Amino acid sequence: AQSVTQLGSHVSVSEGALVLLRCNYSSSVPPYLFWYVQYPNQGLQLLLKYTTGATLVKGINGFEAEFKKSETSFHLTKPSAHMSDAAEYFCAASGNTGKLIFGQGTTLQVKP
Amino acid sequence: DAGVIQSPRHEVTEMGQEVTLRCKPISGHNSLFWYRQTMMRGLELLIYFNNNVPIDDSGMPEDRFSAKMPNASFSTLKIQPSEPRDSAVYFCASSLASWTGTVYEQYFGPGTRLTVT
Repeated sequence: AQSVTQLGSHVSVSEGALVLLRCNYSSSVPPYLFWYVQYPNQGLQLLLKYTTGATLVKGINGFEAEFKKSETSFHLTKPSAHMSDAAEYFCAASGNTGKLIFGQGTTLQVKP
Repeated sequence: DAGVIQSPRHEVTEMGQEVTLRCKPISGHNSLFWYRQTMMRGLELLIYFNNNVPIDDSGMPEDRFSAKMPNASFSTLKIQPSEPRDSAVYFCASSLASWTGTVYEQYFGPGTRLTVT
């Protein structure tokens, strides 16, 4: 069965520092991978997705993620954190059924 | 497009009462998903529909929960009778599923915050 693991339920960075949120998946077939962001009292918003093709995927708000099949990872990065990036981030994986398996979520805190 | 619409945004009810949550998916989408989010259990998929047909309801916690999708533009999630442990944020999401296996992203509504006292 597919599963998604996000390492670290809370990550704290200083404004301007690199953001790195980790995601590993387990799957017997190459998955489709997604990162979503959830701001307080809002629904989830898609940041970026990987389906096929280029393994480095760029998303909104300066975020990007790299699909590494050998490491079964899909880590999310941003070179310079902004205060507005403080939110909860979810990694998700899907086979070809359309059903998403979500990780536990990582809360990003950005310190001034 | 208005996105996925959910109503009500907030619901406070007493234990034992019936609760109905509503969702209007994005026009043209053929898959609809109901999720529940709590601090303890995170984000859980309750049920999903494809072309108005329930495909997987294995996440529905018990018989008190039921979901329907009478047409492509409307779905309901009903809890009867409600219990305090049902307090959570309930999200509806929709997507466009392709029979060729292409997976499209899910678009989430703003959620309904349910409090059962």
